[in-house]
Amino acid sequence: DADVTQTPRNRITKTGKRIMLECSQTKGHDRMYWYRQDPGLGLRLIYYSFDVKDINKGEISDGYSVSRQAQAKFSLSLESAIPNQTALYFCATSGQSVDEQFFGPGTRLTVL
Amino acid sequence: GESVGLHLPTLSVQEGDNSIINCAYSNSASDYFIWYKQESGKGPQFIIDIRSNMDKRQGQRVTVLLNKTVKHLSLQIAATQPGDSAVYFCAENPWGSNYKLTFGKGTLLTVNP
Repeated sequence: DADVTQTPRNRITKTGKRIMLECSQTKGHDRMYWYRQDPGLGLRLIYYSFDVKDINKGEISDGYSVSRQAQAKFSLSLESAIPNQTALYFCATSGQSVDEQFFGPGTRLTVL
Repeated sequence: GESVGLHLPTLSVQEGDNSIINCAYSNSASDYFIWYKQESGKGPQFIIDIRSNMDKRQGQRVTVLLNKTVKHLSLQIAATQPGDSAVYFCAENPWGSNYKLTFGKGTLLTVNP
């Protein structure tokens, strides 16, 4: 079984809709991250969490929110989706440092 | 601002040849670097890492070289195989940051049989 899973894997939605992406991990890691990937750009950090209920903004947090209610789960929400949020979204986990982040398989989100 | 970049966006090699993928970084304070492999439809997968107190590190068929003088990182893949076809990108961790990785844009490696 995969260590980091994401649901859904693909999602098409309309402008203005609320969307939630889920991430679960079985690695026992405290740290979890949400990134977005766009063609021609590197991965960009949206939010990160060092522990349950710990939330920190990354470089592109506007328009997104997250929730960390359990060590194994980190969810990303788009309160009102817009077309420029169309992207690949990745969840990642790491141990007590930034070293070697483990990524999930990604969620392809399309906002029409 | 600081950035992590790649010299070539695409690289095509013959099966069995050695591949070299390059990465330039501009943050001289970075002290930790990672190479990731991303296959189509999958998340990035860790390949190898290196700290700034090293110049070279070897793994299975892969070697990472770090030249701090010119702020250059390279990934060498020996005897490239079709399964090596993927996007490769580097990431750097600026010194003093306990959470941030700055990712490069990636190089698409295509291995021809």
